[in-house]
Amino acid sequence: GENVEQHPSTLSVQEGDSAVIKCTYSDSASNYFPWYKQELGKRPQLIIDIRSNVGEKKDQRIAVTLNKTAKHFSLHITETQPEDSAVYFCAAHQRGYGGSQGNLIFGKGTKLSVKP
Amino acid sequence: GAVVSQHPSWVICKSGTSVKIECRSLDFQATTMFWYRQFPKQSLMLMATSNEGSKATYEQGVEKDKFLINHASLTLSTLTVTSAHPEDSSFYICSATYLETQYFGPGTRLLVL
Repeated sequence: GENVEQHPSTLSVQEGDSAVIKCTYSDSASNYFPWYKQELGKRPQLIIDIRSNVGEKKDQRIAVTLNKTAKHFSLHITETQPEDSAVYFCAAHQRGYGGSQGNLIFGKGTKLSVKP
Repeated sequence: GAVVSQHPSWVICKSGTSVKIECRSLDFQATTMFWYRQFPKQSLMLMATSNEGSKATYEQGVEKDKFLINHASLTLSTLTVTSAHPEDSSFYICSATYLETQYFGPGTRLLVL
């Protein structure tokens, strides 16, 4: 099945700097890659996603890039703010079998700390 | 976006008792819902996939007799932790897919004493 590796596990940046989180996946058939932000004690919230027919997607200060050949995708946050501090999870959609819709496989998460 | 609710938000129970957690899709129908468990400072681990009208699919290592899942309608899935023990204490989160995006419930924090 699908395996997702995420790095780094912790990331500390100064307010205003950029932050980059990287993930790799193993199943070349995976075609959907969402990123979730989870604040302490709360549910994961989708912040951006990308499909395998696109190489890059941007939404204001956040962007995601996908390299299908290398099987890796990255989250880029520019002009970081203290409220960006949270745990970020990448995920890859694992294909289903026998008619099932498949499911998301998550990376281990990156704890981002933005220092004012 | 779509809304997924979960109840209760937290529960404390004695060892050996059973606990039921409900997951509802409020404004859409979900033939499939997912149940995750998250231990402190760890990632979300898929426990099982709940299918409306049929048996749930459990991930390897998850005991189906201990974690009973019932997907009785297109908007409700329940997870029952039977004979709970302290090692079952965790954050349980459900999710459902709407328009190819997976939305998560707010989670249920379970503490077994």
